[in-house]
Amino acid sequence: QQQVKQSPQSLIVQKGGISIINCAYENTAFDYFPWYQQFPGKGPALLIAIRPDVSEKKEGRFTISFNKSAKQFSLHIMDSQPGDSATYFCAASGATYNTDKLIFGTGTRLQVFP
Amino acid sequence: DAGITQSPRHKVTETGTPVTLRCHQTENHRYMYWYRQDPGHGLRLIHYSYGVKDTDKGEVSDGYSVSRSKTEDFLLTLESATSSQTSVYFCAISRGTGETQYFGPGTRLLVL
Repeated sequence: QQQVKQSPQSLIVQKGGISIINCAYENTAFDYFPWYQQFPGKGPALLIAIRPDVSEKKEGRFTISFNKSAKQFSLHIMDSQPGDSATYFCAASGATYNTDKLIFGTGTRLQVFP
Repeated sequence: DAGITQSPRHKVTETGTPVTLRCHQTENHRYMYWYRQDPGHGLRLIHYSYGVKDTDKGEVSDGYSVSRSKTEDFLLTLESATSSQTSVYFCAISRGTGETQYFGPGTRLLVL
């Protein structure tokens, strides 16, 4: 119940295309859903995050869509650029003692070709 | 980067030897975390600290111990390194639970 399942494992997109990464969770106590971006040789960095009081959050070309009833959330990267090539991790956490540590998905390696 | 350094950045050691990794922060954040990152597993929490001398276990704590004697330093010790502990180790900090975690640059550890 603590798992966060992420797909796909890898994704190849043409420059200008839309990249979509999906995550699903089981624990309904989760109430914080961040996405992290990691470049090779670097630590992960927060990209965008959402809480379940909204169904969508947009920051520039990056959008999180959240479906509370389906217990799913996804990252959409519009107009994908070669500089977006990185590994993306979804994560989830809650407010109770046994849910307040981030649980990460297994990651998606995105490659954007010119 | 959010004022987090890790040392060493790379280490090669032999099975059975003790290893200590250091995380240092200049942000005065209360929470500090140690993760390991392995292909196919994402980031898994080893131990975390919610204050000086206050620590707790994470998902994969077996074979690891931690100490936090100062707000700014969080040490991860492998008492007797094994090949299964070959990994990239990341330290992270946050002001509180449910808040943004900021990650350090990582330590690449190879246990032969």
